Amino acid sequence: SQQGEEDPQALSIQEGENATMNCSYKTSINNLQWYRQNSGRGLVHLILIRSNEREKHSGRLRVTLDTSKKSSSLLITASRAADTASYFCATGSFTGANSKLTFGKGITLSVRP
Amino acid sequence: NAGVTQTPKFQVLKTGQSMTLQCAQDMNHEYMSWYRQDPGMGLRLIHYSVGAGITDQGEVPNGYNVSRSTTEDFPLRLLSAAPSQTSVYFCASSYGTGRGNYGYTFGSGTRLTVV
Repeated sequence: SQQGEEDPQALSIQEGENATMNCSYKTSINNLQWYRQNSGRGLVHLILIRSNEREKHSGRLRVTLDTSKKSSSLLITASRAADTASYFCATGSFTGANSKLTFGKGITLSVRP
Repeated sequence: NAGVTQTPKFQVLKTGQSMTLQCAQDMNHEYMSWYRQDPGMGLRLIHYSVGAGITDQGEVPNGYNVSRSTTEDFPLRLLSAAPSQTSVYFCASSYGTGRGNYGYTFGSGTRLTVV
């Protein structure tokens, strides 16, 4: 069962514009992570935000987390053609001895040169 | 430092055949896991391990076996391949036992087709 649900499913923007992607989830989490996947490749970890954090930055990436609304957003500023990829949010949950990272279905981002 | 290495990259199996997908990491990560990725389904967890000798089931474990005899290796076995197992399989590892706030490192995937 998917924990994270990304929105929109697909996004097309012009190079230089900002891209905002959203993720909602249903149950309590310990952290939320964003990954990028280029076509035919494995996933690459972008950024992790802990449940007690509200905002985090890494280069052109800005992630926010609102645990009261069970939602997160990923902002990519000044997008480049090389940012074209699928982006996944994933929720990390620790329950007893178990730990799971549950992924959403992904957002396809196209950045037009 | 190779990260997470998966072999083979591509495989075609006939229904009923068995095979092992290999996964090795050289980062001394305790936590390793297998996911399958299907169109429109995202990634779903098959099995995971929090250390040598310890494995547990994920969301979609049926038809798959795993073992973890060393920290470095986490092979995934398909017992009797079925067309429903046609997918892209990813191995991922993480520092610690998975209960810490660390990102995962993914392999490049194995694209499996069962005919």
